[in-house]
Amino acid sequence: GAVVSQHPSRVICKSGTSVKIECRSLDFQATTMFWYRQFPKKSLMLMATSNEGSKATYEQGVEKDKFLINHASLTLSTLTVTSAHPEDSSFYICSARDLVGLYEQYFGPGTRLTVT
Amino acid sequence: SQQGEEDPQALSIQEGENATMNCSYKTSINNLQWYRQNSGRGLVHLILIRSNEREKHSGRLRVTLDTSKKSSSLLITASRAADTASYFCATAPLGTGANSKLTFGKGITLSVRP
Repeated sequence: GAVVSQHPSRVICKSGTSVKIECRSLDFQATTMFWYRQFPKKSLMLMATSNEGSKATYEQGVEKDKFLINHASLTLSTLTVTSAHPEDSSFYICSARDLVGLYEQYFGPGTRLTVT
Repeated sequence: SQQGEEDPQALSIQEGENATMNCSYKTSINNLQWYRQNSGRGLVHLILIRSNEREKHSGRLRVTLDTSKKSSSLLITASRAADTASYFCATAPLGTGANSKLTFGKGITLSVRP
């Protein structure tokens, strides 16, 4: 089946620093990738939709200058949390949709970000 | 507000029993999907049911969809301890095609006691 990887799986950073999270589709091409944030024991909150070669579309309330998304190729999207603060600590999950499947999304294993 | 609302929020059963989880949603959909998440992990796609389908099976999973009631149920038969996880329903809205975004419910925590 389709595999999506995320790197790193865990990261601890200090307040004020920036952190980059990578999301890769390993065995398929993804024109669209999605970035979610999940708080403990809560649902997934869609942050933004990332389309290859174009600007990401952010959901209401998500700061695009704080959460920079780059979808440079059909297999890679990156999320950079800039000037991280403790309230940015969360579980970030990406998903990818392949060129063929219209609705099925394949999820990465998630990245646990802790900002100290 | 959440498009999908699952109930119960938590379910604890004995191994071998069946587990039934329900999901309700508010707007018209193209399809509804169920996902599973083990603690601290990403989501695994379980099954997709389209709006013109009423029931679908996959192994020990049975999903029903009632568009008139805007609800779906996920049945796991003969549960195993390894089925312990959180289960989410997600809806794809009608008419948005390939760029449709999924809206997730809050999830159901299933515990299967050995």
